[in-house]
Amino acid sequence: NAGVTQTPKFRILKIGQSMTLQCTQDMNHNYMYWYRQDPGMGLKLIYYSVGAGITDKGEVPNGYNVSRSTTEDFPLRLELAAPSQTSVYFCASTPQGRGHEQYFGPGTRLTVT
Amino acid sequence: KNQVEQSPQSLIILEGKNCTLQCNYTVSPFSNLRWYKQDTGRGPVSLTIMTFSENTKSNGRYTATLDADTKQSSLHITASQLSDSASYICVVGDQAGTALIFGKGTTLSVSS
Repeated sequence: NAGVTQTPKFRILKIGQSMTLQCTQDMNHNYMYWYRQDPGMGLKLIYYSVGAGITDKGEVPNGYNVSRSTTEDFPLRLELAAPSQTSVYFCASTPQGRGHEQYFGPGTRLTVT
Repeated sequence: KNQVEQSPQSLIILEGKNCTLQCNYTVSPFSNLRWYKQDTGRGPVSLTIMTFSENTKSNGRYTATLDADTKQSSLHITASQLSDSASYICVVGDQAGTALIFGKGTTLSVSS
């Protein structure tokens, strides 16, 4: 199994541009998550999904959108990039609820200038 | 407010030495406490998960302890290796299972 994969690894955006961060897992996990990690801070939950077709907001959802059309994929969309969205983004998955071990992807480092 | 505080913020030790990292939390009630290891430029990797009824859990040279009464946890690393250099993150899950609260991490540097 490849586990959780994320693309791209790095990206630089100009203010106002949009992009999609891709996340795919091949472990048939129902639950998937998007986090952001700012320097010196703990991870913050952006959005999560408990299964295909179901998504819900986390702690910091503003400026982001997600979709979950398949079990495997959970893309994160930034519509109008802002400097405050400069961060490292991690996707994670778990077979069931949050009481279970989460498997993280390698991260996407995004810079908005 | 649910918070997870870790100490120290950073730590430097010599290879072969032991060390202990601390985690204090205010999440109440909580369902589980986890420790993750995050190498530079990588995603976090789970080391241990403990429920509120567990006092200790080991994973090789890593041993986590939990005192639910004082809301404290520690991660003890035995016979440190250069590869232990990483950030160690304490995470607490609330009882409702709706939130994971992440600490800021302790950065450990192991030198030869």
